[in-house]
Amino acid sequence: ETGVTQSPTHLIKTRGQQVTLRCSSQSGHNTVSWYQQALGQGPQFIFQYYREEENGRGNFPPRFSGLQFPNYSSELNVNALELDDSALYLCASSPSGGPYEQYFGPGTRLTVT
Amino acid sequence: GESVGLHLPTLSVQEGDNSIINCAYSNSASDYFIWYKQESGKGPQFIIDIRSNMDKRQGQRVTVLLNKTVKHLSLQIAATQPGDSAVYFCAENLRGGADGLTFGKGTHLIIQP
Repeated sequence: ETGVTQSPTHLIKTRGQQVTLRCSSQSGHNTVSWYQQALGQGPQFIFQYYREEENGRGNFPPRFSGLQFPNYSSELNVNALELDDSALYLCASSPSGGPYEQYFGPGTRLTVT
Repeated sequence: GESVGLHLPTLSVQEGDNSIINCAYSNSASDYFIWYKQESGKGPQFIIDIRSNMDKRQGQRVTVLLNKTVKHLSLQIAATQPGDSAVYFCAENLRGGADGLTFGKGTHLIIQP
């Protein structure tokens, strides 16, 4: 069974640029959630995708957007990057829509300068 | 603000002893809770979950207790090992809310030899 994978592992961007992060869900999982984790904090929910539709969203502005593909992999896009967007971005997959049994990937470390 | 929090930022225990990590939540409408373990540089690792219709759930060397009366959640780790050193997060989901998890700030568990 393959776990959740994310790419890239590290990324450095300049303020105002755009970034795309990628996630492959665990085998058999059809739901992907994205979280932002600032240093020393717990993860914060960005949004969830279930069957290629956004299924719920946390308190993040519209410049955070996403996609889910028919194979259940997902992308997180962030436009107009700000310094405060520097964080670990985590993807979690689960076997069904909803909050249950979310398994996390290793994350992408984004640094905005 | 966050509805999930932890009583202690750091917990130090002797190897072989039992560890108890506590978590208080303020939202009585939360109906699902998860404990995660996060090692440095890695994504959160699923430990155990519990739904609000249960008081106790056991896994391998771990037990989660839920006290809805006082809105308290605990994680007990039996016979703590060096590999248990990590930051532990409790997370909750609000019934009827967006399908994301709300995380607390975490407790750093340190194992003394």
